[in-house]
Amino acid sequence: AQSVSQHNHHVILSEAASLELGCNYSYGGTVNLFWYVQYPGQHLQLLLKYFSGDPLVKGIKGFEAEFIKSKFSFNLRKPSVQWSDTAEYFCAVYGNNRLAFGKGNQVVVIP
Amino acid sequence: EAGVVQSPRYKIIEKKQPVAFWCNPISGHNTLYWYLQNLGQGPELLIRYENEEAVDDSQLPKDRFSAERLKGVDSTLKIQPAELGDSAVYLCASSPGTSGRDTQYFGPGTRLTVL
Repeated sequence: AQSVSQHNHHVILSEAASLELGCNYSYGGTVNLFWYVQYPGQHLQLLLKYFSGDPLVKGIKGFEAEFIKSKFSFNLRKPSVQWSDTAEYFCAVYGNNRLAFGKGNQVVVIP
Repeated sequence: EAGVVQSPRYKIIEKKQPVAFWCNPISGHNTLYWYLQNLGQGPELLIRYENEEAVDDSQLPKDRFSAERLKGVDSTLKIQPAELGDSAVYLCASSPGTSGRDTQYFGPGTRLTVL
């Protein structure tokens, strides 16, 4: 079965700082990779996804993620965060007809 | 377009009581999912429906959990009897199809507290 590892569960940073969240997955088949975000008081929503092609994927709100097959990684990045990026971020991999999520990263951006 | 609707948003019950959660997916979405999210964890799939058929219920604890999706639209997830360890957020999601490339759209969840 597939699995996802996310490190640094709690991240605190100041506005304008750069953000990078690590995601490593374990799955032997063709991967479909996702980052979801949950803003305070809101439901989970898609940030970006990767299926094939250009390994650098751009999502909403200035986020991007890079798929590195050799490292089984799909790290999320944003060059300059805003207070409104305070949220919980989940990496997920689709395999065996199922979406498997990591434990999430709680990100707090201080104004 | 309306998103996935869930009710209730919050539920507090005593252990051994029954509880039910309701989900209305996005119109036209044939695939419906129920997830369990414990504190500090990501969502974990409980059951997946394709129209009326439960095609993946391997993670559903069938001794106390049951689900149905009559007419292939709304769905209900039930726990009977509830245990203390069932305290969690129950998420419903829907997608247009069953491809791994289909985005799953999540509802706000039902936060269950079992006392």
